[in-house]
Amino acid sequence: NAGVMQNPRHLVRRRGQEARLRCSPMKGHSHVYWYRQLPEEGLKFMVYLQKENIIDESGMPKERFSAEFPKEGPSILRIQQVVRGDSAAYFCASSPPWDFSGNTIYFGEGSWLTVV
Amino acid sequence: AQSVTQPDIHITVSEGASLELRCNYSYGATPYLFWYVQSPGQGLQLLLKYFSGDTLVQGIKGFEAEFKRSQSSFNLRKPSVHWSDAAEYFCAVGISSYKLIFGSGTRLLVRP
Repeated sequence: NAGVMQNPRHLVRRRGQEARLRCSPMKGHSHVYWYRQLPEEGLKFMVYLQKENIIDESGMPKERFSAEFPKEGPSILRIQQVVRGDSAAYFCASSPPWDFSGNTIYFGEGSWLTVV
Repeated sequence: AQSVTQPDIHITVSEGASLELRCNYSYGATPYLFWYVQSPGQGLQLLLKYFSGDTLVQGIKGFEAEFKRSQSSFNLRKPSVHWSDAAEYFCAVGISSYKLIFGSGTRLLVRP
């Protein structure tokens, strides 16, 4: 059973370009979460999605950031017009539909975005 | 407000020595508590978690943690550190079924 798969693992973008980060949850998992880790900091919650629904986006920056989890395919975190401050590691996590306690949240290996 | 504090940014121990990493949390209800380890350029690996019951929790790789409600602490311990334990360690509190609040991490260095 493959774990949470994220790609690309490393992404370099110039200021003003778009970054798209993909996350395939573990098999059988229908809940996806995105967290961001800025340099020298812990992870911070960004958004929680279920299939075709955004459940909680309270941690998402108000502009330029969006997330989706379509019926088919991976979850996508999209950052438009990237700036240097977006340079960070972006972690995806997933959990199964019956988990209401956070007991079985699994993290992917992260996508490292560098904005030059 | 909910928060997690890891007061030690760096800790250096000799291989074979014991280890304790501190974690204090601020949360009004009964917390779900986690310790994760992150090697450089890698993702997070769950070491252990506390949900309820026995306050001494055993995890992988020989780690354990003790939940002390009176001190709002969840310190991570290992009796004998190996060089491969060098990594960054994050404490987290679950404030809902899906939202974790992470501390800023403690970087462990191991002297040969």
